[in-house]
Amino acid sequence: SAVISQKPSRDICQRGTSLTIQCQVDSQVTMMFWYRQQPGQSLTLIATANQGSEATYESGFVIDKFPISRPNLTFSTLTVSNMSPEDSSIYLCSVRLFRTANTDTQYFGPGTRLTVL
Amino acid sequence: AQSVAQPEDQVNVAEGNPLTVKCTYSVSGNPYLFWYVQYPNRGLQFLLKYITGDNLVKGSYGFEAEFNKSQTSFHLKKPSALVSDSALYFCAVRDTYNFNKFYFGSGTKLNVKP
Repeated sequence: SAVISQKPSRDICQRGTSLTIQCQVDSQVTMMFWYRQQPGQSLTLIATANQGSEATYESGFVIDKFPISRPNLTFSTLTVSNMSPEDSSIYLCSVRLFRTANTDTQYFGPGTRLTVL
Repeated sequence: AQSVAQPEDQVNVAEGNPLTVKCTYSVSGNPYLFWYVQYPNRGLQFLLKYITGDNLVKGSYGFEAEFNKSQTSFHLKKPSALVSDSALYFCAVRDTYNFNKFYFGSGTKLNVKP
């Protein structure tokens, strides 16, 4: 399995500001992802964080709003830019560990609970 | 389109009784199915998965899930519920064409009462 930590665990931010969320994994992983969980909702994939290249965004998410960095195989950041109250969500970092088909599993970090006033 | 459905927003069960949390799926091709649990103010924890093989999959904390291809279901079960099992449970299916993408159900809140 993978141990994933996120910083901050929670934050309250003002409209129009930006917040950068950090994700650290205890081992090198090829695949890292960012998800959003809006209040009372399920999880939605924001983007795949690619090491050494630009992130791959899902439909409805754009780089200007959610810039992502992936400087190495154990670390990634997600920035929520120009925040509005609609951005209030839990943001989760996720990694995929793959050695064989049977061990191929996706793990999630503890999440960052963001409230935008 | 690929998706999962969790028809129950909430399941209530008494401690010691068996529990079932339902999940049905829709995929093209062979399904890769997962169950995750989310405790309050925590991230998602992996419980178990089905890729191939035995239809009954055993996972963490005494949970198991039964894959039923004819009914396109993957219900989560536990023979004897604990109060500490109270949490939010998510069923998920992996995209057949993009293994990096998951589709999550809406979640089922399990309440286990003493």
